[in-house]
Amino acid sequence: TQLLEQSPQFLSIQEGENLTVYCNSSSVFSSLQWYRQEPGEGPVLLVTVVTGGEVKKLKRLTFQFGDARKDSSLHITAAQPGDTGLYLCAGRSNDYKLSFGAGTTVTVRA
Amino acid sequence: NAGVTQTPKFQVLKTGQSMTLQCAQDMNHEYMSWYRQDPGMGLRLIHYSVGAGITDQGEVPNGYNVSRSTTEDFPLRLLSAAPSQTSVYFCASRAESGSPEQYFGPGTRLTVT
Repeated sequence: TQLLEQSPQFLSIQEGENLTVYCNSSSVFSSLQWYRQEPGEGPVLLVTVVTGGEVKKLKRLTFQFGDARKDSSLHITAAQPGDTGLYLCAGRSNDYKLSFGAGTTVTVRA
Repeated sequence: NAGVTQTPKFQVLKTGQSMTLQCAQDMNHEYMSWYRQDPGMGLRLIHYSVGAGITDQGEVPNGYNVSRSTTEDFPLRLLSAAPSQTSVYFCASRAESGSPEQYFGPGTRLTVT
């Protein structure tokens, strides 16, 4: 079983629409990271959230860490085709190891 | 800086063959790790190293060996490949265990027939 559950598994939207991806766990993490991965490449770190309730913005991307540090969400406003990719969340435990979710494949149609 | 490099990009092996996946980083990072990525499973940690001469097992270490003789290099060895090891393998590094920034290589796609 996956320590981190991501939903939905697949998401296909039209350019200009908004989307939200969720990352949930029953475990508490010291921090949580979001990565984006494009086909044939390795994941690239987008953001790290550390404090419960923390909200970080990266242009049109908004990341939120749950108050209890067990869950997180990624919201994209006015999605563009360049946002297409696999979005992975990863939780860091106190021994510094990262546990990854299975990922959400986002497709933004032009 | 080249960042994290991996070779080869693609590899096909027959069951029972051995091979080494190469990983190198030029950022003087202490912490390096190997993951495998399978559909619907996310990234799973195989082995990791907190510095030269120190390695430890991750979540799925069976069938894989690693060594860390230098800070730069962290090769992953498959001694006797099995079809269950068909996967995409990623090497990653970060400055130290507690560093938030982790950098991934481009991956090696391995098929075992």
